[in-house]
Amino acid sequence: AQSVAQPEDQVNVAEGNPLTVKCTYSVSGNPYLFWYVQYPNRGLQFLLKYITGDNLVKGSYGFEAEFNKSQTSFHLKKPSALVSDSALYFCAVRVPGDGNNRLAFGKGNQVVVIP
Amino acid sequence: DAEITQSPRHKITETGRQVTLACHQTWNHNNMFWYRQDLGHGLRLIHYSYGVQDTNKGEVSDGYSVSRSNTEDLPLTLESAASSQTSVYFCASSDLGEPSNEQFFGPGTRLTVL
Repeated sequence: AQSVAQPEDQVNVAEGNPLTVKCTYSVSGNPYLFWYVQYPNRGLQFLLKYITGDNLVKGSYGFEAEFNKSQTSFHLKKPSALVSDSALYFCAVRVPGDGNNRLAFGKGNQVVVIP
Repeated sequence: DAEITQSPRHKITETGRQVTLACHQTWNHNNMFWYRQDLGHGLRLIHYSYGVQDTNKGEVSDGYSVSRSNTEDLPLTLESAASSQTSVYFCASSDLGEPSNEQFFGPGTRLTVL
Protein backbone atom coordinates (compact mmCIF):
# COMPACT_ATOMS: atom_id res chain seq x y z
CA ALA A 1 0.00 0.00 0.00
CA GLN A 2 1.23 3.45 -0.90
CA SER A 3 2.15 5.28 2.31
CA VAL A 4 2.84 8.63 0.69
CA ALA A 5 1.06 10.26 -2.22
CA GLN A 6 2.19 13.24 -4.22
CA PRO A 7 -0.80 13.81 -6.49
CA GLU A 8 0.77 16.19 -9.00
CA ASP A 9 3.56 15.16 -11.35
CA GLN A 10 4.62 18.72 -12.09
CA VAL A 11 4.01 22.09 -10.51
CA ASN A 12 4.55 25.23 -12.56
CA VAL A 13 4.79 28.58 -10.80
CA ALA A 14 5.90 32.05 -11.79
CA GLU A 15 8.93 33.47 -10.04
CA GLY A 16 7.88 35.47 -7.01
CA ASN A 17 4.59 33.62 -6.59
CA PRO A 18 3.82 31.28 -3.70
CA LEU A 19 4.84 27.67 -4.21
CA THR A 20 2.96 24.69 -2.81
CA VAL A 21 3.88 21.04 -3.29
CA LYS A 22 1.28 18.62 -1.99
CA CYS A 23 1.80 15.45 0.01
CA THR A 24 -0.66 13.16 1.78
CA TYR A 25 0.16 10.12 3.87
CA SER A 26 -1.70 7.02 4.96
CA VAL A 27 0.14 5.55 7.91
CA SER A 28 -1.45 4.96 11.29
CA GLY A 29 -0.28 6.46 14.53
CA ASN A 30 1.94 9.51 14.74
CA PRO A 31 3.89 9.90 11.53
CA TYR A 32 7.41 11.17 11.06
CA LEU A 33 7.35 13.15 7.79
CA PHE A 34 10.17 14.48 5.67
CA TRP A 35 10.75 16.61 2.58
CA TYR A 36 13.78 16.23 0.34
CA VAL A 37 14.86 18.14 -2.77
CA GLN A 38 16.84 16.80 -5.72
CA TYR A 39 18.62 19.12 -8.12
CA PRO A 40 19.59 17.80 -11.58
CA ASN A 41 22.24 15.08 -11.48
CA ARG A 42 22.53 15.29 -7.72
CA GLY A 43 21.51 13.20 -4.73
CA LEU A 44 18.62 14.08 -2.46
CA GLN A 45 19.06 16.84 0.09
CA PHE A 46 17.11 17.06 3.33
CA LEU A 47 14.82 20.10 3.59
CA LEU A 48 12.76 19.67 6.74
CA LYS A 49 10.90 17.19 8.92
CA TYR A 50 7.91 16.95 11.21
CA ILE A 51 8.25 14.82 14.33
CA THR A 52 5.96 16.38 16.91
CA GLY A 53 4.91 19.75 18.27
CA ASP A 54 4.19 22.83 16.16
CA ASN A 55 2.35 21.93 12.98
CA LEU A 56 4.30 24.50 10.97
CA VAL A 57 7.86 23.38 10.35
CA LYS A 58 10.53 25.65 8.91
CA GLY A 59 13.41 24.29 6.89
CA SER A 60 16.23 25.15 4.52
CA TYR A 61 16.16 27.70 1.67
CA GLY A 62 13.03 29.45 3.00
CA PHE A 63 10.80 26.38 2.77
CA GLU A 64 8.20 25.42 5.33
CA ALA A 65 5.64 22.68 5.63
CA GLU A 66 2.37 22.36 7.45
CA PHE A 67 1.32 19.14 9.13
CA ASN A 68 -2.44 18.62 9.12
CA LYS A 69 -3.49 15.51 10.99
CA SER A 70 -7.18 15.67 10.10
CA GLN A 71 -6.37 15.86 6.39
CA THR A 72 -3.32 13.56 6.69
CA SER A 73 -1.31 16.08 4.72
CA PHE A 74 2.15 17.59 4.88
CA HIS A 75 2.30 20.20 2.12
CA LEU A 76 5.54 22.00 1.35
CA LYS A 77 5.35 25.76 0.88
CA LYS A 78 7.47 28.73 0.00
CA PRO A 79 6.05 32.26 0.03
CA SER A 80 8.02 33.51 -2.98
CA ALA A 81 9.49 31.04 -5.46
CA LEU A 82 12.89 31.49 -7.09
CA VAL A 83 14.05 30.12 -10.43
CA SER A 84 16.70 28.23 -8.46
CA ASP A 85 13.90 26.33 -6.67
CA SER A 86 13.27 24.39 -9.88
CA ALA A 87 13.96 20.81 -8.85
CA LEU A 88 12.38 17.48 -7.95
CA TYR A 89 10.75 17.34 -4.51
CA PHE A 90 10.10 14.17 -2.54
CA CYS A 91 7.88 13.64 0.46
CA ALA A 92 8.72 10.69 2.73
CA VAL A 93 7.30 9.01 5.81
CA ARG A 94 8.96 6.71 8.30
CA VAL A 95 7.78 3.15 7.76
CA PRO A 96 5.38 2.26 10.59
CA GLY A 97 6.66 -0.24 13.07
CA ASP A 98 10.25 0.24 11.98
CA GLY A 99 12.38 0.72 15.08
CA ASN A 100 14.87 2.73 13.14
CA ASN A 101 14.27 5.16 10.31
CA ARG A 102 13.49 3.30 7.13
CA LEU A 103 11.59 5.68 4.87
CA ALA A 104 8.91 5.29 2.22
CA PHE A 105 9.09 7.94 -0.49
CA GLY A 106 6.46 9.45 -2.73
CA LYS A 107 6.92 9.51 -6.49
CA GLY A 108 8.21 13.06 -6.49
CA ASN A 109 7.02 16.37 -7.86
CA GLN A 110 8.87 18.28 -10.55
CA VAL A 111 8.73 21.99 -9.74
CA VAL A 112 9.33 24.45 -12.57
CA VAL A 113 9.69 28.10 -11.64
CA ILE A 114 9.14 30.32 -14.65
CA PRO A 115 11.14 33.54 -14.80
CA ASP B 1 33.81 17.23 6.16
CA ALA B 2 31.95 13.97 6.42
CA GLU B 3 30.41 12.75 3.22
CA ILE B 4 28.91 9.83 1.36
CA THR B 5 30.40 8.85 -1.99
CA GLN B 6 29.38 6.43 -4.71
CA SER B 7 31.41 4.86 -7.47
CA PRO B 8 31.33 4.63 -10.35
CA ARG B 9 29.10 7.58 -11.20
CA HIS B 10 28.22 6.06 -14.55
CA LYS B 11 28.35 2.45 -15.64
CA ILE B 12 27.38 0.64 -18.81
CA THR B 13 27.27 -3.13 -18.71
CA GLU B 14 25.81 -6.06 -20.59
CA THR B 15 22.97 -8.36 -19.68
CA GLY B 16 24.11 -11.23 -17.52
CA ARG B 17 27.22 -9.61 -16.11
CA GLN B 18 27.79 -9.18 -12.39
CA VAL B 19 28.07 -5.55 -11.34
CA THR B 20 29.04 -4.04 -8.01
CA LEU B 21 28.27 -0.46 -7.04
CA ALA B 22 30.27 1.03 -4.21
CA CYS B 23 28.99 3.23 -1.40
CA HIS B 24 31.31 4.73 1.22
CA GLN B 25 30.35 7.09 4.04
CA THR B 26 32.54 8.91 6.55
CA TRP B 27 29.67 9.97 8.84
CA ASN B 28 30.23 6.88 11.00
CA HIS B 29 26.54 6.12 10.58
CA ASN B 30 25.24 2.69 11.48
CA ASN B 31 22.32 2.78 9.06
CA MET B 32 22.86 2.50 5.31
CA PHE B 33 20.35 2.17 2.50
CA TRP B 34 20.28 1.49 -1.23
CA TYR B 35 17.52 2.92 -3.44
CA ARG B 36 16.78 2.94 -7.13
CA GLN B 37 15.12 5.90 -8.80
CA ASP B 38 12.90 5.38 -11.82
CA LEU B 39 10.53 7.76 -13.57
CA GLY B 40 7.03 7.35 -12.20
CA HIS B 41 8.18 5.32 -9.21
CA GLY B 42 10.19 7.76 -7.17
CA LEU B 43 12.69 6.09 -4.86
CA ARG B 44 12.29 2.44 -4.01
CA LEU B 45 14.26 0.69 -1.30
CA ILE B 46 16.44 -2.21 -2.44
CA HIS B 47 18.39 -3.27 0.67
CA TYR B 48 19.33 -1.73 3.96
CA SER B 49 21.64 -2.35 6.89
CA TYR B 50 21.48 -1.24 10.51
CA GLY B 51 25.04 -2.22 11.35
CA VAL B 52 27.99 -4.44 10.57
CA GLN B 53 26.92 -7.91 9.47
CA ASP B 54 23.27 -6.81 9.35
CA THR B 55 21.44 -6.75 6.00
CA ASN B 56 17.74 -6.62 5.16
CA LYS B 57 15.64 -6.81 2.02
CA GLY B 58 13.67 -3.82 0.83
CA GLU B 59 10.69 -3.71 -1.48
CA VAL B 60 12.60 -4.39 -4.72
CA SER B 61 15.44 -6.70 -3.63
CA ASP B 62 15.19 -9.45 -6.28
CA GLY B 63 18.40 -9.66 -8.28
CA TYR B 64 20.41 -7.58 -5.81
CA SER B 65 22.57 -8.36 -2.80
CA VAL B 66 24.56 -6.40 -0.23
CA SER B 67 27.12 -7.15 2.43
CA ARG B 68 28.24 -5.07 5.40
CA SER B 69 31.72 -5.95 6.62
CA ASN B 70 32.50 -2.55 8.15
CA THR B 71 30.67 0.61 9.18
CA GLU B 72 31.76 2.73 6.21
CA ASP B 73 30.81 0.58 3.20
CA LEU B 74 27.71 -1.06 1.77
CA PRO B 75 28.41 -2.37 -1.75
CA LEU B 76 25.43 -3.30 -3.91
CA THR B 77 25.85 -6.28 -6.24
CA LEU B 78 23.70 -7.11 -9.22
CA GLU B 79 24.19 -10.85 -9.56
CA SER B 80 23.25 -11.08 -13.23
CA ALA B 81 22.37 -7.70 -14.68
CA ALA B 82 19.08 -7.34 -16.52
CA SER B 83 17.78 -4.50 -18.69
CA SER B 84 15.08 -3.88 -16.08
CA GLN B 85 17.86 -2.88 -13.69
CA THR B 86 18.79 0.13 -15.80
CA SER B 87 18.25 2.92 -13.30
CA VAL B 88 19.85 5.54 -11.11
CA TYR B 89 21.02 4.10 -7.80
CA PHE B 90 21.35 6.09 -4.60
CA CYS B 91 23.03 5.17 -1.39
CA ALA B 92 22.05 6.86 1.87
CA SER B 93 23.05 6.73 5.51
CA SER B 94 21.66 7.88 8.84
CA ASP B 95 22.58 7.84 12.49
CA LEU B 96 21.50 4.99 14.70
CA GLY B 97 18.78 5.11 17.29
CA GLU B 98 16.53 8.04 16.54
CA PRO B 99 13.71 7.30 14.10
CA SER B 100 13.53 11.01 13.41
CA ASN B 101 17.07 11.18 12.04
CA GLU B 102 17.20 12.25 8.42
CA GLN B 103 19.04 10.27 5.77
CA PHE B 104 22.05 11.68 3.90
CA PHE B 105 22.32 10.75 0.25
CA GLY B 106 25.19 10.09 -2.11
CA PRO B 107 25.38 11.62 -5.60
CA GLY B 108 24.06 8.52 -7.35
CA THR B 109 25.25 5.98 -9.93
CA ARG B 110 23.62 5.85 -13.34
CA LEU B 111 23.61 2.25 -14.52
CA THR B 112 22.73 1.18 -18.05
CA VAL B 113 22.29 -2.51 -18.83
CA LEU B 114 22.42 -3.27 -22.56
